[in-house]
Amino acid sequence: LAKTTQPISMDSYEGQEVNITCSHNNIATNDYITWYQQFPSQGPRFIIQGYKTKVTNEVASLFIPADRKSSTLSLPRVSLSDTAVYYCLVAGGSQGNLIFGKGTKLSVKP
Amino acid sequence: DSGVTQTPKHLITATGQRVTLRCSPRSGDLSVYWYQQSLDQGLQFLIQYYNGEERAKGNILERFSAQQFPDLHSELNLSSLELGDSALYFCASSVRTLGTYNEQFFGPGTRLTVL
Repeated sequence: LAKTTQPISMDSYEGQEVNITCSHNNIATNDYITWYQQFPSQGPRFIIQGYKTKVTNEVASLFIPADRKSSTLSLPRVSLSDTAVYYCLVAGGSQGNLIFGKGTKLSVKP
Repeated sequence: DSGVTQTPKHLITATGQRVTLRCSPRSGDLSVYWYQQSLDQGLQFLIQYYNGEERAKGNILERFSAQQFPDLHSELNLSSLELGDSALYFCASSVRTLGTYNEQFFGPGTRLTVL
């Protein structure tokens, strides 16, 4: 099972770029890397998904090196509303136990 | 609004009791997932159903059970409740389970308080 490791917390200021790295050393060939955002007392919300190299959408970028043993979620120019917990999830071909982990609590300050 | 609905929103009960949480997936989604989130804890995957059949099991206690009905809604049954079962319970749905991982859409959750 692909277990993920993320920093417990991160602090940033408005307007800065934030990079959150996730380690997943035993990722399987068919696994995809997906990131979710969760606000207090709400269900998680999908941010971005990738398999390799770089993926970009309107809210974030996801960088995945060739060995796929880690990934980095990049949030450009964060605002106060980006304060949330960010989860890295590795799943796909081995769909079974979906391990979200404890996530990274991002605090954005003015 | 994710399109996933969960009822009730809040539930307060006593130890030893049994409760049922209900989830209606997004229209067209065949997979339903259940998660437990205790205070300051991450999401703990409990169980997954696909088109009425159990597909995967996570850290689900024997006191807990679930099922998915022909109309695709799902229920999570929690029995012999203990104080430690107090948590937010989320349901999520996705289009399918086979092949690539599909984005999960999460409901608003049911907050269970066991006194």
